[in-house]
Amino acid sequence: DGGITQSPKYLFRKEGQNVTLSCEQNLNHDAMYWYRQDPGQGLRLIYYSQIVNDFQKGDIAEGYSVSREKKESFPLTVTSAQKNPTAFYLCASILVTGLVGRGKDTEAFFGQGTRLTVV
Amino acid sequence: GDSVTQMEGPVTLSEEACLTINCTYTATGYPSLFWYVQYPGEGLQLLLKATKADDKGSNKGFEATYRKETTSFHLEKGSVQVSDSAVYFCASNDYKLSFGAGTTVTVRA
Repeated sequence: DGGITQSPKYLFRKEGQNVTLSCEQNLNHDAMYWYRQDPGQGLRLIYYSQIVNDFQKGDIAEGYSVSREKKESFPLTVTSAQKNPTAFYLCASILVTGLVGRGKDTEAFFGQGTRLTVV
Repeated sequence: GDSVTQMEGPVTLSEEACLTINCTYTATGYPSLFWYVQYPGEGLQLLLKATKADDKGSNKGFEATYRKETTSFHLEKGSVQVSDSAVYFCASNDYKLSFGAGTTVTVRA
């Protein structure tokens, strides 16, 4: 079955450590996104990528890094520079179609999320 | 930049009551508009969408109409059920997918 998979489901990080969250999709989608969800603040965009080997900062990119070496994969690294990393992280992918090429009309598919806790 | 503002919750309703969640957007272009729903501990699922002005999206008894003149995309349902309890997100996509803050809806039997 096609889908988008995030791992791990739960992740614990010590202060000062970098951790990497995995996001893999087999939907053949071009665009992939990372969001952070905090209680009462909805989804805030961290990074997004419309094509392989290219990505853009979202609204809260500081303290995070990404790579997009393969179409199927968009890992997110939470670095020690991120001062408050405890949150629920969601990855999404979108099929890019049409002349516009941005996938603006198409549905986003989400993973089940990774809950990161700093201990 | 582009953004989405939606009604703050939480909203608590009795079964069979009417639900309206307000959503407005700001955009420099012509975004597509979406409503997503999130059940506890899960990712988001698409509820409905509209891709151009005056389009109406509908699904599972929910409706929303793309109003360009008022830059709005309000979500409505005429008779809610306990199973509609969830967090609802309004979203817009022109060159990137942006979400509102989410509205928590609880329906009591």
